[in-house]
Amino acid sequence: AQSVTQLGSHVSVSEGALVLLRCNYSSSVPPYLFWYVQYPNQGLQLLLKYTSAATLVKGINGFEAEFKKSETSFHLTKPSAHMSDAAEYFCAVDSGGYNKLIFGAGTRLAVHP
Amino acid sequence: DGGITQSPKYLFRKEGQNVTLSCEQNLNHDAMYWYRQDPGQGLRLIYYSQIVNDFQKGDIAEGYSVSREKKESFPLTVTSAQKNPTAFYLCASSIPDDYNEQFFGPGTRLTVL
Repeated sequence: AQSVTQLGSHVSVSEGALVLLRCNYSSSVPPYLFWYVQYPNQGLQLLLKYTSAATLVKGINGFEAEFKKSETSFHLTKPSAHMSDAAEYFCAVDSGGYNKLIFGAGTRLAVHP
Repeated sequence: DGGITQSPKYLFRKEGQNVTLSCEQNLNHDAMYWYRQDPGQGLRLIYYSQIVNDFQKGDIAEGYSVSREKKESFPLTVTSAQKNPTAFYLCASSIPDDYNEQFFGPGTRLTVL
């Protein structure tokens, strides 16, 4: 069965520093993987998705993620954090034919001056 | 603009009352979903529907009910049987064959007093 693990429920970085949010997945079939962002009291917005084309995926707001099959990882990065990046981030994997997404528990990113 | 609307944004109810949360989409998506979000627990799937007049239980369906009479609408009823109904509820939709990328509404925060 598919599953997602996000390492670190809270991550804190300085403005201008590298952002690294970790996601590991388990999947019995080639996965489709997603990163979503959620701002307080709002819905989720898609940042980027991996659909088996390029392993390095670029998304909105300067984020990117690299699919590494050997490590079963799909970590999210951004070279330079901005105050507006403070939000909660969710990694998700397609359930493999059941038309459902399996979400990780989320990582709350704090950006301080 | 195409999108998903949820109403109301905030909802207060007395314990023991049933309450219905609205979700409407004009994206022409076949599949729709309801999630519950509690702090630190990520998103948990309540119900999903892949086609009109059909729906399936998710991971935490007890105490909830849904209907899917129209493609664009997927209302969720929180019944008095739900023991801890206070939460943030998110509705989403997708085109099942499009890598199951899900689009989310803005959410409804339900508080039971």
